[in-house]
This record gives sequence, structure tokens and C-alpha cells, in this order.
Amino acid sequence: QSALTQPASVSGSPGQSITISCTGTSSDVGGYNYVSWYQQHPGKAPKLMIHHVSDRASGISNRFSGSKSGNTASLTISGLQAEDEAVYYCNSYTSSSALRWVFGGGTKLTVL
Amino acid sequence: EVQLVDSGGGLVQPGGSLRVSCVASGFTFSPYGMNWVRQAPGKGLEWVSYISGSSTNVIQYADSVKGRFSISRDNAKNSLYLQMNSLTAEDTAVYYCAREVGGTTLENWGQGTPVTVAS
Repeated sequence: QSALTQPASVSGSPGQSITISCTGTSSDVGGYNYVSWYQQHPGKAPKLMIHHVSDRASGISNRFSGSKSGNTASLTISGLQAEDEAVYYCNSYTSSSALRWVFGGGTKLTVL
Repeated sequence: EVQLVDSGGGLVQPGGSLRVSCVASGFTFSPYGMNWVRQAPGKGLEWVSYISGSSTNVIQYADSVKGRFSISRDNAKNSLYLQMNSLTAEDTAVYYCAREVGGTTLENWGQGTPVTVAS
């Protein structure tokens, strides 16, 4: 069981917007603004999309945006495109003595 | 351009050992903390281990690998290593190295190297 909770899947049609949630605790998401989002296509390494909750990584489209409220972070993708279909993972620094970084279980985005 | 190249994965028997490596280029390696993250087949990402940059001396492990895995680095060779001992089937995964920036973000990732533990 992953430390951060994400929906297993979301879907949307081209041009629409979707939002993926990521729920943690006050020891991770709620306690630090060190939340990142990664995109992973099949057989590829994760690619940083968003860091520090809402900052886009270099070269990332402004269709991708992030936010946080309390212990829940969110990734919104607007103007969905076919190439956005991938698995998205959230990630946070944690103050847990047993870990340094925690991940969500991943959300499969299907572009219909 | 920052580049991380993972290597050393392969098939190993249960109880065996393996060392995976990551060679960095495109940036000054020594100041940066480095991590290993793994992904079991069809599963999500799992943080494995961290080693600090040259200014501090911090090493951390996930409980699932503590006492069996050892992380190290050779700054002269721009290289990161993960020595894995007493391997079990649960360690089967793709292992990625990841550069940590500012202690806040896993910014760059290697392409991953697959490790399969099976008889």
C-alpha cells in the first residue's frame, strides 16, 4: 500500500480538463511544499512535470498545473491531448524516520 | 544536459548479490544528493535509498532493504552504486537512480536497470 493515495484511473476527452488528487498526511504532503508530479509512459523513466507543489519543470506545457490544500495535492491537466495518456505519480518529502520520499500509487490517465 | 545512465541489472538467484551503477554527466556530481528508486513489475514507485552530497555524510534506507542493501558513491568517477545482498523475489524491479535538487525534488532520473530475482 502506497503512502500517498491517488485514484487508480481517470479519463477525459481531447480538449477537456482532468484533475488527479494525491492525499497524504501532515508528515508529508501537508507538512512540506515539496510535492512533485511525474509522468511515466510505458517502458520509460518517470519525467518531472511539477515540483514545489505548483512550479512547472523546465519545458513543461502550461496545460499542466499543481496545487495543494491541507494534506491533499492536485494535478490538473487542461486541453487534454493524446500524448498526455500515461501514468502520473505524486511524490512528497516525508519527515517519517523510516523514509525520505513517499510516492502515490499512480493514476492511469486515459484520453478517450 | 544532465544525464544519468543506470547499468548492472540482471538475473540473480534468491539469496544472491548484485551491484547496480549509475554514471552521471552534464553537471557537477559531488554536491548533489542521490537516490535509488525502484519499480516492481506493474507496480508503482518505491524509494529505496539516499546518499548525501560531499558536504554532509547522510545515508538513508527504506526499511524494506535496511541491512541488505548498501549505497555508495565515487565522486571521482561521477558514479553512484547500490550493492544488493540477500536478494528475494520481492526485490525484482527496475532500479532507477535519481538526482535530488535542493533536498526538495527528484529532478532527474536514469533510464533504469532491471533486476530479476528468480531461480
